[in-house]
Amino acid sequence: GENVEQHPSTLSVQEGDSAVIKCTYSDSASNYFPWYKQELGKGPQLIIDIRSNVGEKKDQRIAVTLNKTAKHFSLHITETQPEDSAVYFCAATDSWGKLQFGAGTQVVVTP
Amino acid sequence: EAGVTQFPSHSVIEKGQTVTLRCDPISGHDNLYWYRRVMGKEIKFLLHFVKESKQDESGMPNNRFLAERTGGTYSTLKVQPAELEDSGVYFCASSQGTGGTEAFFGQGTRLTVV
Repeated sequence: GENVEQHPSTLSVQEGDSAVIKCTYSDSASNYFPWYKQELGKGPQLIIDIRSNVGEKKDQRIAVTLNKTAKHFSLHITETQPEDSAVYFCAATDSWGKLQFGAGTQVVVTP
Repeated sequence: EAGVTQFPSHSVIEKGQTVTLRCDPISGHDNLYWYRRVMGKEIKFLLHFVKESKQDESGMPNNRFLAERTGGTYSTLKVQPAELEDSGVYFCASSQGTGGTEAFFGQGTRLTVV
């Protein structure tokens, strides 16, 4: 089955700096890679996703890159703000939509 | 439009008791998933319904867990009898399609077994 590894487990950044979270996956059949943000007391919320026929996608301060050959994908957050503080999860899924999550990254943005 | 809602938000029960969690998906979403996050670890898949049918229940830990989705609308997840290791946050998600379609998550039910 699919195995997703995520690094780092915690990330502390100064406000305004960039944050990068990296994930690797094992199953070459995976074709959809969403990123979720979870704030305290809430459920995971999709922030950006990428499909296997795309190498990079950007949405304002958030970008995701995918390297299918190497089986890794990354989340980039630029100009971080305090409200970016949360736990971020990467995930990979096959055609049935079953999500295999990484272990999560606790991001803390300090003013 | 209402999102995915879960009840209760928090449940504390004694070992050996029974607990039933409920999930109301977004209206019209045929796909409903249950996930669990235990002790700050990764969110793990439990099972997937397509309408009222179980498409994949490979993540269910053991036969103490029973999930149902009568009529293809809301779903329940019953744990009987509960054990200490069942403590965690149980998430429900729904989606209109399957792979490549956004899954919307509920706020979760925090289950504590003492």
